[in-house]
Amino acid sequence: AQSVSQHNHHVILSEAASLELGCNYSYGGTVNLFWYVQYPGQHLQLLLKYFSGDPLVKGIKGFEAEFIKSKFSFNLRKPSVQWSDTAEYFCAVGPTGGGNKLTFGTGTQLKVEL
Amino acid sequence: GAVVSQHPSWVICKSGTSVKIECRSLDFQATTMFWYRQFPKQSLMLMATSNEGSKATYEQGVEKDKFLINHASLTLSTLTVTSAHPEDSSFYICSASPPDRENQPQHFGDGTRLSIL
Repeated sequence: AQSVSQHNHHVILSEAASLELGCNYSYGGTVNLFWYVQYPGQHLQLLLKYFSGDPLVKGIKGFEAEFIKSKFSFNLRKPSVQWSDTAEYFCAVGPTGGGNKLTFGTGTQLKVEL
Repeated sequence: GAVVSQHPSWVICKSGTSVKIECRSLDFQATTMFWYRQFPKQSLMLMATSNEGSKATYEQGVEKDKFLINHASLTLSTLTVTSAHPEDSSFYICSASPPDRENQPQHFGDGTRLSIL
């Protein structure tokens, strides 16, 4: 069975600090990989996705993630965080093919302090 | 962009009541929708896959008689929590994606917070 592990449950950073959130997955097949963000009081929104091709994917709001197949990892990065990045971040994995069910990690609560 | 609407956003009701939650895709048709459940401080757990025109597919451990799913049209799926009890209190979220053209990611509703007294 597939699983997704997010190692950081709570992260507190100062503005302008760099961010890296870890995500490792276990799945017996080719996968699509996603990072979703949930701002306080809002629904889940897609940050970025990897389906194939360049393993370094760029998303919205300056986020990027790198798929390292050998490490089964898809870490999320941002060089300089802002206070508005305070949110919960979820890594998710699904089998290839659009619209299929996703397996989510437990989420990382990021708090950015001024 | 693709939008998924979920209603109601918050329900508080007495134990034993049945509660229906609606999930609508507003600007696309979805033959498949997904229902998730999220407990506080935990991840989203897939409950079931809602299939238009056929029976829903439930994940292991999810009681199909407890959580009734009806995918009545290409834009509407409903989840009914029957005879709800306090342990059913949770945050329920649906998702859907436009028909697969280029591996469309899922779009999520705002969720429904269910509180059973």
